[in-house]
Amino acid sequence: DSGVTQTPKHLITATGQRVTLRCSPRSGDLSVYWYQQSLDQGLQFLIHYYNGEERAKGNILERFSAQQFPDLHSELNLSSLELGDSALYFCASSVWGVGSIYNEQFFGPGTRLTVL
Amino acid sequence: AQSVAQPEDQVNVAEGNPLTVKCTYSVSGNPYLFWYVQYPNRGLQFLLKYITGDNLVKGSYGFEAEFNKSQTSFHLKKPSALVSDSALYFCAVRDMNNNDMRFGAGTRLTVKP
Repeated sequence: DSGVTQTPKHLITATGQRVTLRCSPRSGDLSVYWYQQSLDQGLQFLIHYYNGEERAKGNILERFSAQQFPDLHSELNLSSLELGDSALYFCASSVWGVGSIYNEQFFGPGTRLTVL
Repeated sequence: AQSVAQPEDQVNVAEGNPLTVKCTYSVSGNPYLFWYVQYPNRGLQFLLKYITGDNLVKGSYGFEAEFNKSQTSFHLKKPSALVSDSALYFCAVRDMNNNDMRFGAGTRLTVKP
């Protein structure tokens, strides 16, 4: 158990809908990262938040957004869903600070999104 | 930009034989390299990392990785494979510009009894 929790485990929805995925980082970790894992594109970095502020964006669509709250949990919002958005969505957390570049990320179990 | 490549989509080995999962990297500056494993329907689990120092890094579950600067490689190895090692393995590099992790495409390891 990595200490990172994600809810829900599974989500089935229809095209055009909006969903919210939730992530709670490990205790003490200020950084949260979101990744999308699909069969054809592997593991894609979406976005990184540190202590409530956006730090970096990866291959995140404009229909997707995220935020990190004062209690450090994070939510990934996916809107106007398309069939191609079906994937596993992972969040990860890590320590931030001096030497944090050396630190591994700890991954949650993921949310499997199916868009029908 | 920092990147890693995993040249093999699939690696098959027999139980008890040594295994190698390959990774090459491309970075500007010092490489900070990681290996993760993903079992079916699970998140990624950290195996080991190279930051500096000894080129042979030991990690979890009996895995080790060899850092080779001249060949820009960071291959994952295990002396004797187990059927339970069958999983998807990802190599990753830390992007120094924004502290993010860039992952390879993954290599599916199958260990046959």
